[in-house]
Amino acid sequence: QKEVEQNSGPLSVPEGAIASLNCTYSDRGSQSFFWYRQYSGKSPELIMFIYSNGDKEDGRFTAQLNKASQYVSLLIRDSQPSDSATYLCAVNSGAGSYQLTFGKGTKLSVIP
Amino acid sequence: NAGVTQTPKFQVLKTGQSMTLQCAQDMNHNSMYWYRQDPGMGLRLIYYSASEGTTDKGEVPNGYNVSRLNKREFSLRLESAAPSQTSVYFCASKDSTDTQYFGPGTRLTVL
Repeated sequence: QKEVEQNSGPLSVPEGAIASLNCTYSDRGSQSFFWYRQYSGKSPELIMFIYSNGDKEDGRFTAQLNKASQYVSLLIRDSQPSDSATYLCAVNSGAGSYQLTFGKGTKLSVIP
Repeated sequence: NAGVTQTPKFQVLKTGQSMTLQCAQDMNHNSMYWYRQDPGMGLRLIYYSASEGTTDKGEVPNGYNVSRLNKREFSLRLESAAPSQTSVYFCASKDSTDTQYFGPGTRLTVL
């Protein structure tokens, strides 16, 4: 069974600091990786996706992928109170797979 | 461009009642999904439709049925609601990058 593991948190960081969110996955054949943000009472919204090993940057967000270690992370620079939310990691198992496997999410709290 | 829409937003049912949750997308996506989200359990896939005319079971299909009415619409039916089906239900559609886009959700309580 494919599994995606995240630390449930809560992860508390001071405003302006770097928040680091981590995710591991079990299926070595996984090919695409997604980070979603979910505010309380709202639906998940895409932050970014990554396909290749290494870093991908989008504004204050950087996704990092290491397929050998089956590890994907999300860094949030200059964290703001508005970044306080639950962050979901999701993994697609590759060509022909229509499904994403979601982690249970990490709750981030940015303290002013 | 509304994205993914869901109706209703809230619903309270009594045990044994039936209802249909409606979902529509205007992004011309082929694949659509129904999830439930419970505290501590994360998002769990109920059913999905890879393309118009096809449906497949996900992780937790028992007690549910689905209909892919056309390319835009994908409905979820509870034939005989049970308290264990109290949850938040999300519909999603998928684009060619495998990114899934979620609707606003339906909060269902079964008494």
